[in-house]
Amino acid sequence: DVKVTQSSRYLVKRTGEKVFLECVQDMDHENMFWYRQDPGLGLRLIYFSYDVKMKEKGDIPEGYSVSREKKERFSLILESASTNQTSMYLCASSPDPGTDTQYFGPGTRLTVL
Amino acid sequence: GQSLEQPSEVTAVEGAIVQINCTYQTSGFYGLSWYQQHDGGAPTFLSYNALDGLEETGRFSSFLSRSDSYGYLLLQELQMKDSASYFCAFSNAGGTSYGKLTFGQGTILTVHP
Repeated sequence: DVKVTQSSRYLVKRTGEKVFLECVQDMDHENMFWYRQDPGLGLRLIYFSYDVKMKEKGDIPEGYSVSREKKERFSLILESASTNQTSMYLCASSPDPGTDTQYFGPGTRLTVL
Repeated sequence: GQSLEQPSEVTAVEGAIVQINCTYQTSGFYGLSWYQQHDGGAPTFLSYNALDGLEETGRFSSFLSRSDSYGYLLLQELQMKDSASYFCAFSNAGGTSYGKLTFGQGTILTVHP
């Protein structure tokens, strides 16, 4: 079974803190994705990566950055957390481009106070 | 621009059949997929259509009409455990968009006894 793990299930941070969200997949997938999910807005893509050290902006990249130093690990960074970044963050991975099957991690519920 | 429309809520009774519609607007459309998400859980892949027609997977079927930019998810013999949110998502062909999904806002399905 594909397994996607995220470093924390719940996280509480203060405004202005630097926040790291980690995601690891164990299936040697090429593509990895970071989404945020808010009520009524569905899943919105923040960043994705199709190879090590490669990254592409998604639909809402402002206020976020990412790092992919190893194939299995994709990190989301909030340089200076703000209250409007309080959300559920979901990581996903998928095999070669051309497949629409993405495997999601359990999510990190981040609260910024 | 790019967009997806799906109903926000659908209600049905156990044993019934329900259809969740999805219309999309995008250029370079590649395929339409469906994901299920139970409350507090991660989205899980259900079905995928790249060609016109019906794809059947057990009690779930998905349909696509590329000419109408329309698809639907059909759930038969509804069970209480089918109560969840259902998301349609499209992918685009070409370049670094390949493999990236754009999700709809989700449809909350409630199944009553």
